[in-house]
This record gives sequence, structure tokens and C-alpha cells, in this order.
Amino acid sequence: EDQVTQSPEALRLQEGESSSLNCSYTVSGLRGLFWYRQDPGKGPEFLFTLYSAGEEKEKERLKATLTKKESFLHITAPKPEDSATYLCAVQDNYGGSQGNLIFGKGTKLSVKP
Amino acid sequence: KAGVTQTPRYLIKTRGQQVTLSCSPISGHRSVSWYQQTPGQGLQFLFEYFSETQRNKGNFPGRFSGRQFSNSRSEMNVSTLELGDSALYLCASSLKGGKYEQYFGPGTRLTVT
Repeated sequence: EDQVTQSPEALRLQEGESSSLNCSYTVSGLRGLFWYRQDPGKGPEFLFTLYSAGEEKEKERLKATLTKKESFLHITAPKPEDSATYLCAVQDNYGGSQGNLIFGKGTKLSVKP
Repeated sequence: KAGVTQTPRYLIKTRGQQVTLSCSPISGHRSVSWYQQTPGQGLQFLFEYFSETQRNKGNFPGRFSGRQFSNSRSEMNVSTLELGDSALYLCASSLKGGKYEQYFGPGTRLTVT
């Protein structure tokens, strides 16, 4: 059964204090791994897609990396506006679940000034 | 380019009633997926439509149904509402579905009393 586990559940950082969020996954065949950011009361906002182990993508203070078992979202010198819940999702290449996203429970990030 | 729109944004219904939610995808996108988000279960996949056909379905009871129109707009229907159906219902559109990124709307907050 496909599974996505994110850790930690919550993370508090001081402004400028870099850290990483983890997403470990189990799928029959990975079609893609997706990172989203969700602010309270809003829909998830797309950040990155990673397709194969070793792939990396960057956007402003965020960098996503992928291995065969997990993905990391690195946040460099975060600012208060980076506070949000970060969601990881995978898409399986096989079986009846092809095409749909399987989400982790998310990591709630708080960045204090 | 306009994003995904969902109507209504908020809805209060009574147990036993039925409800219809609407989603307009990004122009040019042909795939629409629906998700339920609750604090306990997180984001869970309901179904995906592509070119007016249901292509994929999650593990939800038959009370949850949907359809897609020729202009790619989609509706989701929940019949015989239960208290546990209270959730944020999110619609996501994608160019073709599959490995293509999904872009989410703001959601419809459904409260069942």
C-alpha cells in the first residue's frame, strides 16, 4: 500500500535559522513526488515536482531533493512569510491508484521574527 | 491566467440533505480531481475526471459522485449527508492529469449539522 510520512509534524524556527523537512514514501513505482505549500483557509499551492532519484529543484529560499525512499525540503534563511503547512504527495505508476496524489499529513512550519 | 475557481466557498447543510459543489479549472486544463481535507485524515483523493470520463476513484462510498462537462468544468455531489462529511473539499486541475502538476482551488468549506 502506498504511504507518505512527513516529519516533523510541526517545526518552529527563528528567522534566518535554516532547516529541512522530511517526506518518506513507499510506492510500487514512483511517477512523481510533489511539494505543496498550504496557508490556513486556502488550497495547496504548487511548489515542485521531482521525478527521479538525484533530482533537485530550487525556488527562492526552498530547495527540494529526492532519493529512492525520501525527499527533503530545505529552507534556507527562512522569513516569517514562509510560515505555512508544507505538504508532500506522491503519484504511483502502477495499479488502480495511477494518477491520483497520495498526500502526507504535512509539516506545519512557524518562523518567528 | 485565472486560477481554479470553486463555488460556493462556504456551505452549511443538515444531515440527510444532499449538496453539489462546482469547480472551474484553469483554461486549457482537461483533468479535474477532487479531494477531501479533514484535520484527522488530511487530504484524501475522491476522483479524477478527464474529457468527461471518470478515470480514477478513491476509497469513498457511493454517496460521493461527480461529473465533468464538455468545457472541463466539474461538479461533485454528496447525497445523504453525514456529520463526518464536514470537510474542506478541494478541486485541482491539471493539463492532462497523470504526471502533470495539479493546481488547487481555494476549496469549499462544507459543514454538516
